[in-house]
This record gives sequence, C-alpha cells and structure tokens, in this order.
Amino acid sequence: ELKVEQNPLFLSMQEGKNYTIYCNYSTTSDRLYWYRQDPGKSLESLFVLLSNGAVKQEGRLMASLDTKARLSTLHITAAVHDLSATYFCAVPSMNRDDKIIFGKGTRLHILP
Amino acid sequence: DAGVIQSPRHEVTEMGQEVTLRCKPISGHDYLFWYRQTMMRGLELLIYFNNNVPIDDSGMPEDRFSAKMPNASFSTLKIQPSEPRDSAVYFCASSFSGYGYTFGSGTRLTVV
Repeated sequence: ELKVEQNPLFLSMQEGKNYTIYCNYSTTSDRLYWYRQDPGKSLESLFVLLSNGAVKQEGRLMASLDTKARLSTLHITAAVHDLSATYFCAVPSMNRDDKIIFGKGTRLHILP
Repeated sequence: DAGVIQSPRHEVTEMGQEVTLRCKPISGHDYLFWYRQTMMRGLELLIYFNNNVPIDDSGMPEDRFSAKMPNASFSTLKIQPSEPRDSAVYFCASSFSGYGYTFGSGTRLTVV
C-alpha cells in the first residue's frame, strides 16, 4: 500500500525565517503534487513535479523532487504571514489512473 | 473555464433528511472524485469515476451514501438518511491525464 508521509505536521515559525517541509512516499513515482489549503477554503494546486530533479518556484515557495530518494521538499524562504495555510503533498496511486494519495498535510502558522 | 462547480456551498439539514450534493467537473476532464474532510479524519476519498463509470467506491462510509454520474458534466452525492456524524466539508475534484486534481469550493454540510 502506498504511503505518503509529511513532516512536520504542524509548524509555527516567525516571519522572515526559512524552513522546509518534507514529503516521503513509499513506492516508485515519477510525479508529485503540492496543494495549499487556506482555512475554510478548498485545496489549490501549487506545483506539479513531473520528473526526477524537477524544481519549481513561485514567490517564496520552491518545490523539488528526488524520485530516487522518494522525497519531495517544499522550501519556504523569508516566510510572510500570508503563507499561513495547510500544505499537502500527493503522489499517484498504484492504480495507473488519475487517483492520487495525499499526505496528512502540514499546518503552517507564520507569526507576524 | 469556471472550474469545478459545487452546489450548494452550505447545507444545514435535520437528522434523517435526504441530502444531495452536486458537482459539475471541468469540461474535458475524464475523472471525477468525491472527498470528505473533517478535523478528526482529515481528507477521505469516498468514490471516483472515470468516463462516468464508478471505479472505486470503497471509501463510501455505508449504504446511506450513494453517488451517480449520469453524464460527463454532472455528478451527485446523496446521503439518505443523514446523521450528525456526516457533518463535514465535501469536495468534488476533477482531473485529466495525471496532471493532478482541480478541486471545487466544497459543500459544508451540517446535520443537526
């Protein structure tokens, strides 16, 4: 059974600091997805990483994928309060269809 | 494109009543997913369809839950009879070719 593990699950950090969220998964996958969910809102696609070594950046967020290590990271640079949200990573299931398996999410709280 | 459209946005109903949630996927997307999200259980996949055909309904909690997709542009999730423990946010998502999901805004269901 495919497992997707994120850590940490909760993170409180101060504005201006850098931090990294980790996403490990248990079986081979050549793609990985990151989503953001603001409190009371839906999930929004952040990044789609499609190959080993893929790196994508948007603003203060940068995601990377190492398929050999089965690891993705979401790096936050100089955090600002607006980035407070829950971040989910997800990988394709073993069904060879569009179903994806989500991690439990990392709740990020950035203190002003 | 207007994205994935769910209705209603909020639903408050009394225990024992029938509830129907609706979803219009993005045109051209061939997968549709129904999820439920609660604080206690997180994000749970209930059922998903491919080309209007149910592929996996193993996440449907019990016989009180049913889902249909009569055509490519419409799906319903029905709960009959509803119970207080069904209170949650229900999300619909659609996808195409493994590029990840697009989520709807969700329906917040409260059963009193």
